[in-house]
Amino acid sequence: DIQMTQSPFSLSASVGDRVTITCRASQNIDNYLNWYQQKPGKAPKVLIYAASSLQGGVPSRFSGSGSGTDFSLTISSLQPEDFATYYCQQSYITPWTFGQGTKVEIK
Amino acid sequence: QVELQESGPGLVKPSQTLSLTCTVSGDSISSVDHYWTWIRQPPGKGLEWIAYIYDSRSTYYNPSLNSRATISVDTSKKQLSLKLRSATAADTAVYYCARGSIIPRPDSVYYYYYMDVWGKGTTVTVSS
Repeated sequence: DIQMTQSPFSLSASVGDRVTITCRASQNIDNYLNWYQQKPGKAPKVLIYAASSLQGGVPSRFSGSGSGTDFSLTISSLQPEDFATYYCQQSYITPWTFGQGTKVEIK
Repeated sequence: QVELQESGPGLVKPSQTLSLTCTVSGDSISSVDHYWTWIRQPPGKGLEWIAYIYDSRSTYYNPSLNSRATISVDTSKKQLSLKLRSATAADTAVYYCARGSIIPRPDSVYYYYYMDVWGKGTTVTVSS
């Protein structure tokens, strides 16, 4: 199975901050990488697919980049509604696997 | 608007079969533009992909489940189902059904897959 490793495990940030979360795959996954946001008690919501394509309806402050084994999700200006846990997921090959999650908390 | 709603028993005894249903509204469950999938999340932990089904027939499973899972669709009822045999406490989780989108990769015969619509999830506890 492809292992997905996110960093950091958690972070504290303030409204307006620029935040970057990284995700590393244990092998080359080209750009078959998706990002999801999950709020407590809610289902995940897709933000980014194919490493850098913004899902419809997602604010443009979210962006994704990377290819191969190293990827990142950036929130350009953190908003109150962005405090959540973020997961990366590879769809290069089954079994599809997720990172362990990065929790973004209020400083 | 596409909506998915999971249902099933909240409590399952060890060694029994965990059976869940996901009712789809606002979309055709037999569409070739989408696949249908189950994901679970143990309490306080991350997400684990279980299985997906495409075109009502092609199925793919996570080998970590040791062949205990069966995914299927009933197109007449617009329902997706999951059966997980020989349940143990390790199967205790919130179970989500989701619709997946299949996007052609430019200048390629390959496709991108991602889950774009999720149900709210249903909690299943395996305990005697």
